[in-house]
Amino acid sequence: QQQVKQSPQSLIVQKGGISIINCAYENTAFDYFPWYQQFPGKGPALLIAIRPDVSEKKEGRFTISFNKSAKQFSLHIMDSQPGDSATYFCASYYSGSARQLTFGSGTQLTVLP
Amino acid sequence: GAVVSQHPSWVICKSGTSVKIECRSLDFQATTMFWYRQFPKQSLMLMATSNEGSKATYEQGVEKDKFLINHASLTLSTLTVTSAHPEDSSFYICSARDTDGSNEKLFFGSGTQLSVL
Repeated sequence: QQQVKQSPQSLIVQKGGISIINCAYENTAFDYFPWYQQFPGKGPALLIAIRPDVSEKKEGRFTISFNKSAKQFSLHIMDSQPGDSATYFCASYYSGSARQLTFGSGTQLTVLP
Repeated sequence: GAVVSQHPSWVICKSGTSVKIECRSLDFQATTMFWYRQFPKQSLMLMATSNEGSKATYEQGVEKDKFLINHASLTLSTLTVTSAHPEDSSFYICSARDTDGSNEKLFFGSGTQLSVL
């Protein structure tokens, strides 16, 4: 079974700080790496995504860093805000015939006011 | 962005009854939809892949007779939990794939909280 390992399981950050969540994948065939944000009782919402042909992608306060050789990617949330408190899931997408998302285990982020 | 509507958002039913959950892509056609199950504080577990006009593909360990999936149109997939029991209580989430040229994105519904008494 292909896995995506996510860490940390939980993260507490002060308002204005930087939140960093890391993921590692195994399958080199993965070619799409999205991050999802999920609030309690809601479905995941696509936050930002990257393809392996770039090493970094930035959208507002959210940045993905991608290291293809290490098979790792991370989400950086700059100037973290209490409204960012949610569960974050990394995922990897396999463009083979199945084309399914493989999710990380999730990170519960709490941003203190 | 693309919108996936899931209904109902929550449902309470008695043990032994069946419950149907709908997943609609509102502004795009989705040939493929996915159904997930999520337990509290856990990740999403893929249950099945739903393809329009054909039988769903179930993940290992998911009972296809228990979780009936129908994908009759390009904008609608349904999940029916048959003869529901308390252990089926969970958060069910659908997603739909939107393909626009080289860009491919997966969008999720808002989820359905099922509670079986």
